[in-house]
Amino acid sequence: AQRVTQPEKLLSVFKGAPVELKCNYSYSGSPELFWYVQYSRQRLQLLLRHISRESIKGFTADLNKGETSFHLKKPFAQEEDSAMYYCALSGQNAGANSKLTFGKGITLSVRP
Amino acid sequence: DAGVTQSPTHLIKTRGQHVTLRCSPISGHKSVSWYQQVLGQGPQFIFQYYEKEERGRGNFPDRFSARQFPNYSSELNVNALLLGDSALYLCASSPRSGSTYEQYFGPGTRLTVT
Repeated sequence: AQRVTQPEKLLSVFKGAPVELKCNYSYSGSPELFWYVQYSRQRLQLLLRHISRESIKGFTADLNKGETSFHLKKPFAQEEDSAMYYCALSGQNAGANSKLTFGKGITLSVRP
Repeated sequence: DAGVTQSPTHLIKTRGQHVTLRCSPISGHKSVSWYQQVLGQGPQFIFQYYEKEERGRGNFPDRFSARQFPNYSSELNVNALLLGDSALYLCASSPRSGSTYEQYFGPGTRLTVT
């Protein structure tokens, strides 16, 4: 079984403060991990995925297989980062299916 | 391209009724997935269809069914509605099947069962 845990529901920080959104997962094989974001009145969209190892909008996330974690980080938060963030997992099954398992999500609020 | 479109936007049904939700994927996308998002929770996988064949099924009762048409659009059907079926139903499309391909989500259909 695969499971994603986001232990916090809300994180409120001031503009310019560092941000870390926690994500832990449970999966018996080699997972593929994602962060999705939903800005107010917008659709759920992909923010980043661990295999691309990119920095998107200043966010990075490193897959730590030992701790089964995929925390999302940004050194200096901006007000436009305020949104709902979901961590998601897909079992590596290239060509099989596209099932994503999501965590419950965390609301990030960046105050001016 | 308008992206993934879903209809209707909102729907109110009574317990015991059935409902059909519709999804049109991005042009050229052949895979469609359905998710249920209950208030306060993350999306939960219901089905995935690729090239009109079911590729994945989540832990949902047989009251839930889906299909994909030759133009790759999809329908999600729910029979014998329960109060607990009230949720936002999301559709996502991707070019092909598999975790390699980014999924693009629609705006969702808000279903309320009374």
